[in-house]
Amino acid sequence: DQQVKQNSPSLSVQEGRISILNCDYTNSMFDYFLWYKKYPAEGPTFLISISSIKDKNEDGRFTVFLNKSAKHLSLHIVPSQPGDSAVYFCAASTMNYGGSQGNLIFGKGTKLSVKP
Amino acid sequence: DSGVTQTPKHLITATGQRVTLRCSPRSGDLSVYWYQQSLDQGLQFLIQYYNGEERAKGNILERFSAQQFPDLHSELNLSSLELGDSALYFCASSIGQGASTGELFFGEGSRLTVL
Repeated sequence: DQQVKQNSPSLSVQEGRISILNCDYTNSMFDYFLWYKKYPAEGPTFLISISSIKDKNEDGRFTVFLNKSAKHLSLHIVPSQPGDSAVYFCAASTMNYGGSQGNLIFGKGTKLSVKP
Repeated sequence: DSGVTQTPKHLITATGQRVTLRCSPRSGDLSVYWYQQSLDQGLQFLIQYYNGEERAKGNILERFSAQQFPDLHSELNLSSLELGDSALYFCASSIGQGASTGELFFGEGSRLTVL
């Protein structure tokens, strides 16, 4: 049972336009969400995160939006650049690391291609 | 460079064999996580260790085991290998016990091919 879902395996956008990557989750206990970016032959690298007490977090060209009622989050990249071409993973966790939930649950990823 | 070192980078072996993957976390990080990425799959959480103790367990098969040593490096042991175990195995580390205390830093992965 997939707790974190990225329903779009791939996305192609033009340079300079907005890229919107979507993620849905099913576990209402998740309260911390992260986006990771992965280039070929490299490990995933952290991009941006958001806790459930917020609905938006912005870092330069990257903004993550969280809609708790819909159990949905999205990553916006504006403007998109060719160097942004990578696989983007959505991940979720809980803050209650006193229990067994300290790890991240990842989605399957969305491959973003930004065309010049 | 994330500071997390994984060896070997590539490994080819036969069904029924046993292999050991090694991970050295970032300096100062106490948690080590193991993830498996099979073809067209996301990162599947296997197991986490914190300061030598098992902290959380995911979808890890009984044929697989792991440990974290006093110097904080970790090893993932895969035995009685099957074709379906072919995957990219990532190690990650973090300072605290959980991801919410800081993001995870991933190594470049160990690609295992079982023939």
